[in-house]
Amino acid sequence: EVQLVESGGGLVQPGRSLRLSCAASGFTFDNYAMHWVRQVPGKGLQWVSTISWNSAKITYADSVKGRFTIFRDNAKNSLNLQMNSLRAEDTALYYCTRGLDGYDPVFDYWGQGTLVTVSS
Amino acid sequence: DIQMTQSPSTLSASVGDRVTITCRASQSISTWLAWYQQKPGKAPKLLIYKASSLQSGVPSRFSGSGSGTEFTLTISSLQPDDFATYYCQQYGSYSQSTFGQGTNLEIK
Repeated sequence: EVQLVESGGGLVQPGRSLRLSCAASGFTFDNYAMHWVRQVPGKGLQWVSTISWNSAKITYADSVKGRFTIFRDNAKNSLNLQMNSLRAEDTALYYCTRGLDGYDPVFDYWGQGTLVTVSS
Repeated sequence: DIQMTQSPSTLSASVGDRVTITCRASQSISTWLAWYQQKPGKAPKLLIYKASSLQSGVPSRFSGSGSGTEFTLTISSLQPDDFATYYCQQYGSYSQSTFGQGTNLEIK
């Protein structure tokens, strides 16, 4: 059974940093691109970032480019998101997702999400 | 960025109804479109990808169509489990994939 379990969320002040992690199991992790998607509670979905299976290709949404860094450790079946210079508008539930096929940001499995709240 | 506009924002329907949700892209995305279903407190679930391909395990009452800038998600006969929020997502410009604002399908 595919499982994606996020951790690392919490309350953080504006301008500070936070690192999210996602532990993957139930599939061959290094066969898949992985993605982060976020959702402001009660609002819509926003794609955040994508990393290819071998980390050779990485893409970010314009709203996080230069502040967030996605990286993965295939030996540990883990996906991470380093978030720096956090802003109030980054407050959201962050989902770790698996790519359906290739690098396309189509998400066939989702974690339960980890909540990030940016507030003073 | 490519903007995705769903209509309607809210749809009231009854069990057994045939319903259609529309998604329009601000520029052509060929068939690079996916549909998701989300229930309260749960993560979204992939229903359709590449505009009309049914994801494994999704009931056949769900179907998708369209290309270019106009797309539809159709549920042929609504079941009680189908009342949820539906999102379209474009990945034609996958450097900046974007979602529609969502359609809340509620019980009439």
